[in-house]
Amino acid sequence: GQQLNQSPQSMFIQEGEDVSMNCTSSSIFNTWLWYKQEPGEGPVLLIALYKAGELTSNGRLTAQFGITRKDSFLNISASIPSDVGIYFCAGQLITGNQFYFGTGTSLTVIP
Amino acid sequence: GAVVSQHPSWVICKSGTSVKIECRSLDFQATTMFWYRQFPKQSLMLMATSNEGSKATYEQGVEKDKFLINHASLTLSTLTVTSAHPEDSSFYICSALGLYERYNEQFFGPGTRLTVL
Repeated sequence: GQQLNQSPQSMFIQEGEDVSMNCTSSSIFNTWLWYKQEPGEGPVLLIALYKAGELTSNGRLTAQFGITRKDSFLNISASIPSDVGIYFCAGQLITGNQFYFGTGTSLTVIP
Repeated sequence: GAVVSQHPSWVICKSGTSVKIECRSLDFQATTMFWYRQFPKQSLMLMATSNEGSKATYEQGVEKDKFLINHASLTLSTLTVTSAHPEDSSFYICSALGLYERYNEQFFGPGTRLTVL
């Protein structure tokens, strides 16, 4: 399968701080999705991106589809304790329906 | 967002038995369903892609005779782990892809935790 590299692997931040994470690949994707997963549950879709350069917000979350179509970024502003979880990016290749997942970023918010 | 359900949510079985996991899209028609496996503290690994009415496409390294996938309708796909062994213990998650509101989107089920003794 495709390799999507996410960084950082884990983050420990104070409540109120902003968070940035990114996802990169050597392949070109036509869709990028960002998910959050909590322990023992399936991933929940946060933001979907469909066009290169697109910047989309969902509350305190903002994600961007990179111009090269090989990367995407997720920012969380003014973090709160309930932001804790693992964030995954997922990319869909031009050639198929499958989404391939990034390696995940584990976020811990310290009150 | 759309709702995707999985059943059962947790199953424990003896080594050598077969286990069937169901994935249903409850409020939209899923043209494609995907099955993922996730080991603790790891990412989701795509196992196979199934389109309604046709054979599943398996990712490299996934044994199609061990992980049987049936996608009989636009709202139901099943994954059967045949002759399960302890190394098959994992969190299995399905997702459904279909037209929801304006776009093709993928929604995930809550996952099924399989423990093989």
